Amino acid sequence: DTGVSQDPRHKITKRGQNVTFRCDPISEHNRLYWYRQTLGQGPEFLTYFQNEAQLEKSRLLSDRFSAERPKGSFSTLEIQRTEQGDSAMYLCASSWGTEYSPLHFGNGTRLTVT
Amino acid sequence: AQKITQTQPGMFVQEKEAVTLDCTYDTSDPSYGLFWYKQPSSGEMIFLIYQGSYDQQNATEGRYSLNFQKARKSANLVISASQLGDSAMYFCAMREGEERETSGSRLTFGEGTQLTVNP
Repeated sequence: DTGVSQDPRHKITKRGQNVTFRCDPISEHNRLYWYRQTLGQGPEFLTYFQNEAQLEKSRLLSDRFSAERPKGSFSTLEIQRTEQGDSAMYLCASSWGTEYSPLHFGNGTRLTVT
Repeated sequence: AQKITQTQPGMFVQEKEAVTLDCTYDTSDPSYGLFWYKQPSSGEMIFLIYQGSYDQQNATEGRYSLNFQKARKSANLVISASQLGDSAMYFCAMREGEERETSGSRLTFGEGTQLTVNP
């Protein structure tokens, strides 16, 4: 069990550019989540995958955001035409589908849009 | 209305003493789960403890225990024998409803409490 891995750890980009983040969940976990955390706040849910199927999306996930999990393993989160308000920590988490299934989080990707 | 309320932005405790971090929640669903996570300055969210709404006994995990008062809708975290390494942000979170395949374990987090353990 190597834990949830996220890449990159930090990303600085200029407004209007596209960025893509990657998440590698714990290998036996079939569920994957993306959360966003701004300074001084708790994480907010963005989207959820069961295997390769994206089953739930938050209203926070605007049209500029897209997430994929093509083979039910790693996932990518892309933000198109970044805005300064997108600056945040993007956290990925995975879990095994049971009634009691704590989310295991990665270290996050910190995005700064200048 | 806030789903999860953590009223203590910051807490201080002396090393080796116990500390209680408050959490109240709001839900009308009879089935729910409550979680506590620790977030050190490194950023990773570390799962600490879980309490199900139908659990009869308070959850315990090593030095962590959850004081679950269902009628008051509170789920306070108690850390016994505080250590310097306990200094971190602590988040209370809730999953409303049963865990379903269509929604997984979608969590709503509070704003957190910054705990500082003094030597």
